[in-house]
Amino acid sequence: DAGVIQSPRHEVTEMGQEVTLRCKPISGHNSLFWYRQTMMRGLELLIYFNNNVPIDDSGMPEDRFSAKMPNASFSTLKIQPSEPRDSAVYFCASSRDMNTEAFFGQGTRLTVV
Amino acid sequence: GESVGLHLPTLSVQEGDNSIINCAYSNSASDYFIWYKQESGKGPQFIIDIRSNMDKRQGQRVTVLLNKTVKHLSLQIAATQPGDSAVYFCAEVSGNTPLVFGKGTRLSVIA
Repeated sequence: DAGVIQSPRHEVTEMGQEVTLRCKPISGHNSLFWYRQTMMRGLELLIYFNNNVPIDDSGMPEDRFSAKMPNASFSTLKIQPSEPRDSAVYFCASSRDMNTEAFFGQGTRLTVV
Repeated sequence: GESVGLHLPTLSVQEGDNSIINCAYSNSASDYFIWYKQESGKGPQFIIDIRSNMDKRQGQRVTVLLNKTVKHLSLQIAATQPGDSAVYFCAEVSGNTPLVFGKGTRLSVIA
């Protein structure tokens, strides 16, 4: 298996633009997580899905952030409109179940200027 | 081993020595713990895990110790190598809740 695949690896966008981050989890994994990593706050859980259903989105910082999982092999994290303080590395991770180890993608480094 | 604010605690170790990275976890109900390694520019990578019914687990060159009484977890790396230089995170799981990560410790191996 190729592991968790995220795209793009790097994204530079202007403030106010819409940004969409993409994730393909490991086949057969039932749980998917979106994390954000910054120097200030470390790894923060934004939202997670189980069997394609959003379970907890309390980590999503604002209404500008939304996430979807239309099927078991694809998820998106959207920021609209983006702001400079959204600059961070965004990781997607998947696991077989909620209480087993999560496997991370390589991350998307987002820079909003 | 946990960081406060902007700065990650750093552990500097001579190549060939053993490393011990510590982690204080927060939830006494946590029943599953994982150590992750994150190299620059990459996502966190699973190293070793332990369930709460154990107090020690060994892997290849790594050992995880769990002390539930004081909510403490440690990762021991034997014969540390330059390739071990990275940021190490402990993560805890309680029931059906997702991983909660600590802030991390930077391991720097001196050749």
